[in-house]
Amino acid sequence: DQQVKQNSPSLSVQEGRISILNCDYTNSMFDYFLWYKKYPAEGPTFLISISSIKDKNEDGRFTVFLNKSAKHLSLHIVPSQPGDSAVYFCAARALNNAGNMLTFGGGTRLMVKP
Amino acid sequence: DGGITQSPKYLFRKEGQNVTLSCEQNLNHDAMYWYRQDPGQGLRLIYYSQIVNDFQKGDIAEGYSVSREKKESFPLTVTSAQKNPTAFYLCASTPTSRNNEQFFGPGTRLTVL
Repeated sequence: DQQVKQNSPSLSVQEGRISILNCDYTNSMFDYFLWYKKYPAEGPTFLISISSIKDKNEDGRFTVFLNKSAKHLSLHIVPSQPGDSAVYFCAARALNNAGNMLTFGGGTRLMVKP
Repeated sequence: DGGITQSPKYLFRKEGQNVTLSCEQNLNHDAMYWYRQDPGQGLRLIYYSQIVNDFQKGDIAEGYSVSREKKESFPLTVTSAQKNPTAFYLCASTPTSRNNEQFFGPGTRLTVL
């Protein structure tokens, strides 16, 4: 049973436009959410996070929105750049988990066309 | 400079052989993790360790073993009992204080011939 789902395996966007990556979760105990970016044959790198007490967190071109009632979060990238082309993973941590144990979604491959 | 190293980058193994993947961190992190990524799939947790000399099975521990004799090191052994060992293996670490992200190593691509 997947507790974190990224229902779109891929997304294609034109350079300069907005990219919106979505993530849904089922565990109401999740209290901290993260987005990672991963290039092929490399380890994921941390992008941005949000605590469940907030509904928005912004860092430069990246904004994460959290809708707790819908158990849904999204990552907005504006404007999208070709270098943003990568696989993006959504991850969540449960309140009752030790430390920073994370549950990952299946990932969405973003392709930004020049 | 601090970080997580995994070696080797690419590893080839004959079927039926055990192989050990290295993971070292100098970030002074208490917790370390091993994940496996298969093509088109997310990260699945194999084993994790919150403290030295202690480790726990993740979601797909069968056919794998680990040790945590030092804080800096968390080697993963892929045994011959693992049915589909060909995958990309990622090691991560994090402080145990909450609201910290996991830091990942560059990964090891294991191919069984």
